[in-house]
Amino acid sequence: GEDVEQSLFLSVREGDSSVINCTYTDSSSTYLYWYKQEPGAGLQLLTYIFSNMDMKQDQRLTVLLNKKDKHLSLRIADTQTGDSAIYFCAEGLRNTGKLIFGQGTTLQVKP
Amino acid sequence: DAGVTQSPTHLIKTRGQQVTLRCSPKSGHDTVSWYQQALGQGPQFIFQYYEEEERQRGNFPDRFSGHQFPNYSSELNVNALLLGDSALYLCASSREGMNTEAFFGQGTRLTVV
Repeated sequence: GEDVEQSLFLSVREGDSSVINCTYTDSSSTYLYWYKQEPGAGLQLLTYIFSNMDMKQDQRLTVLLNKKDKHLSLRIADTQTGDSAIYFCAEGLRNTGKLIFGQGTTLQVKP
Repeated sequence: DAGVTQSPTHLIKTRGQQVTLRCSPKSGHDTVSWYQQALGQGPQFIFQYYEEEERQRGNFPDRFSGHQFPNYSSELNVNALLLGDSALYLCASSREGMNTEAFFGQGTRLTVV
């Protein structure tokens, strides 16, 4: 089946690292994505990882993929108040244009 | 590069009416997908258009239909609006019918009263 799950809320202090977790069920996914959504806005593509990779780093962002456990995480180093938003994990199914989204994790960054 | 643009940004319709939402894809992209995001939820896939045809469809009724034009822009039409159709409608563009690097527009907020 197609299902993506995320924890709903995470609160961190400014300057700390944030880790947002996601699990998915479909083993045919080719890419896994992280999107950011600020209030009243659309989705901003943060980063994505190909399903045969274990890790991808992009400046303050680190994505880890455990394909065996179908677990994806997004680490944000030196979290800033501007990182406060809802973060969505999504899987892209093989040979399709369809993305399956989780329900989003609200990240609250306290000064 | 203007990115993905959607119009209008906000819309209020009465139950039973019909609505048309519009999307222009990012430059260089030829594929448009539509998503519905209810309040507090993740986006749900409605359908995708590539080469002016509907290639895939999510679990949405036939009241939801679409179209893609030769310039790759797209429309989403919803007939016989229900209160439950109130949501943020997001358009995503990508290349060649795939989901790689799908970029989203800012969305159209539809309120059905």
